Amino acid sequence: GAVVSQHPSWVICKSGTSVKIECRSLDFQATTMFWYRQFPKQSLMLMATSNEGSKATYEQGVEKDKFLINHASLTLSTLTVTSAHPEDSSFYICSASPPFGDEQYFGPGTRLTVT
Amino acid sequence: GENVEQHPSTLSVQEGDSAVIKCTYSDSASNYFPWYKQELGKGPQLIIDIRSNVGEKKDQRIAVTLNKTAKHFSLHITETQPEDSAVYFCAASLDNAGNMLTFGGGTRLMVKP
Repeated sequence: GAVVSQHPSWVICKSGTSVKIECRSLDFQATTMFWYRQFPKQSLMLMATSNEGSKATYEQGVEKDKFLINHASLTLSTLTVTSAHPEDSSFYICSASPPFGDEQYFGPGTRLTVT
Repeated sequence: GENVEQHPSTLSVQEGDSAVIKCTYSDSASNYFPWYKQELGKGPQLIIDIRSNVGEKKDQRIAVTLNKTAKHFSLHITETQPEDSAVYFCAASLDNAGNMLTFGGGTRLMVKP
């Protein structure tokens, strides 16, 4: 149980284009999903928290107009990197929390490379 | 806000030995402390967690201890195996923080066969 998937697992895009990453909780409903960014050999940096049906809460320094988050259902959240630039290249990881629980279950991550 | 420190940043042990990773946290109101294992190119995997009303929890070769007074918690891995090699992250969260986790900096564990 508690499986979270992400799609795609890796993506290469050209500078200036947009990329959408999907995060799905496969066997539970997630009232809250989180999006993290991880640079090589570093810890996870929380980008935003999304609750189903409401606007995401972004961490300080994260541009909400650049990193669009949609949490349209209890099993799906999406992160869209708009007008991507090479500095946006990173490992993006989502996690999901079940209702009435404090655990976070992570997806396998998406490696984004912007050329 | 919460701050979590993790030590050591790297740890090398011989197969069969024990490994201990320690974390300290700053907010005494934190009450949930998970540990994650992250293999190269993959997402973190929850391996064990402990809540503030418990001092120790064990799951086969893995155990976690919590000292609320000192505000530190530790991960203990016994009889280490090469497949235990990974990066381990500790984290802490507050009950009223919407499950938001604060992560430690990570420990790269290398188990030498």
